Amino acid sequence: SQKIEQNSEALNIQEGKTATLTCNYTNYSPAYLQWYRQDPGRGPVFLLLIRENEKEKRKERLKVTFDTTLKQSLFHITASQPADSATYLCALGNQGGKLIFGQGTELSVKP
Amino acid sequence: SAVISQKPSRDICQRGTSLTIQCQVDSQVTMMFWYRQQPGQSLTLIATANQGSEATYESGFVIDKFPISRPNLTFSTLTVSNMSPEDSSIYLCSVVLGAGGETQYFGPGTRLLVL
Repeated sequence: SQKIEQNSEALNIQEGKTATLTCNYTNYSPAYLQWYRQDPGRGPVFLLLIRENEKEKRKERLKVTFDTTLKQSLFHITASQPADSATYLCALGNQGGKLIFGQGTELSVKP
Repeated sequence: SAVISQKPSRDICQRGTSLTIQCQVDSQVTMMFWYRQQPGQSLTLIATANQGSEATYESGFVIDKFPISRPNLTFSTLTVSNMSPEDSSIYLCSVVLGAGGETQYFGPGTRLLVL
């Protein structure tokens, strides 16, 4: 069956450093991969989408890579800030709009 | 983007009862989804609710337990029927904007505790 795995342990980093989160998947060939941010008590908020034919995408301090051979995406936040502390979810999608979510990685940025 | 509201935001219910959760969107959308997020876990898709057709349920979810209504393009309800403590979870609705849209916009969620 389809499986998505993200860093299970919380990631603690110092302000100003780069945070790198990993998303691995098996038994699936997504047309695209998305990253969402979720704060406690709130619904997920869309951050970035990368398609199967794209290797890298950037948006401000965010960078996503997508390797369909390794079946892996890396999500980077450069110059991290305490306000970046949240849970980050990766999600795989195909035609039809349905998404399959990973369990999320909790990021904590310390000042 | 879309602004999505859900009611109630939270509730505490007795086992055996039912709760209906409302999802309201500020624009007309075709595709709407209902998810469950159990404590410490990720989002699990319950069903896809498209206006004008019956909801499509994912494996492990049935209409008798989670009936869904989609009376128009801005509104949907999810009912959690005959609740048990295992139904304690956060329930979220999401929408996709435009035909072929891929990004989902989520409501704030309904936090349900069943005693």
